Amino acid sequence: GAVVSQHPSWVICKSGTSVKIECRSLDFQATTMFWYRQFPKQSLMLMATSNEGSKATYEQGVEKDKFLINHASLTLSTLTVTSAHPEDSSFYICSAPRTGGQPQHFGDGTRLSIL
Amino acid sequence: TQLLEQSPQFLSIQEGENLTVYCNSSSVFSSLQWYRQEPGEGPVLLVTVVTGGEVKKLKRLTFQFGDARKDSSLHITAAQPGDTGLYLCAGEGQGGKLIFGQGTELSVKP
Repeated sequence: GAVVSQHPSWVICKSGTSVKIECRSLDFQATTMFWYRQFPKQSLMLMATSNEGSKATYEQGVEKDKFLINHASLTLSTLTVTSAHPEDSSFYICSAPRTGGQPQHFGDGTRLSIL
Repeated sequence: TQLLEQSPQFLSIQEGENLTVYCNSSSVFSSLQWYRQEPGEGPVLLVTVVTGGEVKKLKRLTFQFGDARKDSSLHITAAQPGDTGLYLCAGEGQGGKLIFGQGTELSVKP
């Protein structure tokens, strides 16, 4: 069964809305989680590394104020897309490695559509 | 910057044909993983290769890690329509980050 749960799986909302996506590790603790963005027919692009107890580390070109990450506990990380616009529409996926590194377990992704 | 070049990016073949997907880098990776992804779902791990020269088989899929741990290949024998999907290679980078190749969109037609 799934070891990483992502919620919601699908969101449609109006431009200007903020959207929160949750990523939970179900049977293990994850001090680190990763957030990816994926456009249709393309690969995963790492957006940021979520760290429990400290600030997230963002990849170059990713707006920190736009994509807020909070690693609230050892089993939960959230990604909030603030004031979302149509260009933010994408497939967002989280992953979490078990203690010791690889392999990472991926959530089922969140399809975000901004109208 | 570590990069993974994956090729081909698109592949359309007939059922029963063989195919190979390549993943190349100028950097050394401590491990390399292959994933398969269905539309609307997260990637599912197929295999992890760790040792240079390693070969792993998963039914009709054969995975190879280059001797220098800079490249890898995925070979599918007698492809079936059920093999259709997006195949991704990923190398472990600094801090546990996964560096993904561009992906290979495979379509196997009956």
